[in-house]
Amino acid sequence: GAVVSQHPSRVICKSGTSVKIECRSLDFQATTMFWYRQFPKQSLMLMATSNEGSKATYEQGVEKDKFLINHASLTLSTLTVTSAHPEDSSFYICSASVPLAGGSDTQYFGPGTRLTVL
Amino acid sequence: GESVGLHLPTLSVQEGDNSIINCAYSNSASDYFIWYKQESGKGPQFIIDIRSNMDKRQGQRVTVLLNKTVKHLSLQIAATQPGDSAVYFCAEIPETSGSRLTFGEGTQLTVNP
Repeated sequence: GAVVSQHPSRVICKSGTSVKIECRSLDFQATTMFWYRQFPKQSLMLMATSNEGSKATYEQGVEKDKFLINHASLTLSTLTVTSAHPEDSSFYICSASVPLAGGSDTQYFGPGTRLTVL
Repeated sequence: GESVGLHLPTLSVQEGDNSIINCAYSNSASDYFIWYKQESGKGPQFIIDIRSNMDKRQGQRVTVLLNKTVKHLSLQIAATQPGDSAVYFCAEIPETSGSRLTFGEGTQLTVNP
């Protein structure tokens, strides 16, 4: 259980175009999903918290107008990188929050999306 | 083999040896910790977790130890196999952060056949 998928796994786009990445929880419902960015040989950096039915909460320094997040259903969150530039090239990973007995939630991660902006 | 986290981000061990990966966390209010394994080009994979009211938890070939006094977490892998080669991250959830994770910098484990 607790499988999270992402689509596409890889995308190459031209500078100035927009790219949409989907994150789905396949066998459970997730009211909260998270979007991370990871550069080579570095840790994951939280970009934003995606809440079903409400606006996303962005981390400091992350441009909300550039990284549009939509969490329209309990199984799908999307991240749209608008007007992408080469510096946006990165590995984008989503996760879904799963509540645990006794409090605290754990997170299960998707396989990631490699974005390359030419 | 043993790593010391921030100062030794790589750990190389022989197949069959036990591995110890260390992590220092900073927030004394954290009450839940998770170890993740990330293979190249893939998303992090849940390995094992532990709550702050415990000091040890065992899984299949893995053991997590938590020392709250010195804010230290370790992951022990028994009989390390080549398939264990990956980057290992510790993550903490502070009590007041909802379910937001804070990741450590990661340790690259390489298992030599």
